[in-house]
Amino acid sequence: DQQVKQNSPSLSVQEGRISILNCDYTNSMFDYFLWYKKYPAEGPTFLISISSIKDKNEDGRFTVFLNKSAKHLSLRIVPSQPGDSAVYFCAAITANTDKLIFGTGTRLQVFP
Amino acid sequence: DTGVSQNPRHKITKRGQNVTFRCDPISEHNRLYWYRQTLGQGPEFLTYFQNEAQLEKSRLLSDRFSAERPKGSFSTLEIQRTEQGDSAMYLCASSFPGDRAVSGELFFGEGSRLTVL
Repeated sequence: DQQVKQNSPSLSVQEGRISILNCDYTNSMFDYFLWYKKYPAEGPTFLISISSIKDKNEDGRFTVFLNKSAKHLSLRIVPSQPGDSAVYFCAAITANTDKLIFGTGTRLQVFP
Repeated sequence: DTGVSQNPRHKITKRGQNVTFRCDPISEHNRLYWYRQTLGQGPEFLTYFQNEAQLEKSRLLSDRFSAERPKGSFSTLEIQRTEQGDSAMYLCASSFPGDRAVSGELFFGEGSRLTVL
């Protein structure tokens, strides 16, 4: 049972444009959502998070949007830079556990 | 370097052999997690510790897998009688439980890649 889904395995965006990565979830008990970025041969690194009581959180070029009614999460990167090229994982957690549930990832490629 | 350290980075073994991976978390972090990642998938939770106590184990963790954190610092993950299906990247992460505002933020190591021939 895939509780966190990233249906787009890859995304290609031109430098300077907007990247939007999407994530859907099924478990309504999730109360915190996170995005991680992973470069090859490295472990995932935390990027940005959002609590379920909010619908938007912004940090520099990165904004995460949460639509609870649709059980949908998205990450917006603007402007996109070549250094953003990586695999992005969304993840979720419930209040009564301490384990992150990850999606399958979306590979973002930002080309000049 | 004060990040999460994992050893070895890559292990090649023959089916049926035992392997052990070590994780040294960030020193002030009292929670330690093990995840497994296979090609094309996201990290899958295996188990986690708070200090030396193992608080949760995934059903993915068969009887051939055992994890320990004897002194609440480093942890080991042992796989006995390895199978080809065990081939994966084994990721360790640590965190310090605190303000819920940063709940869920894990600091990952670079992983230990296991190849079972």
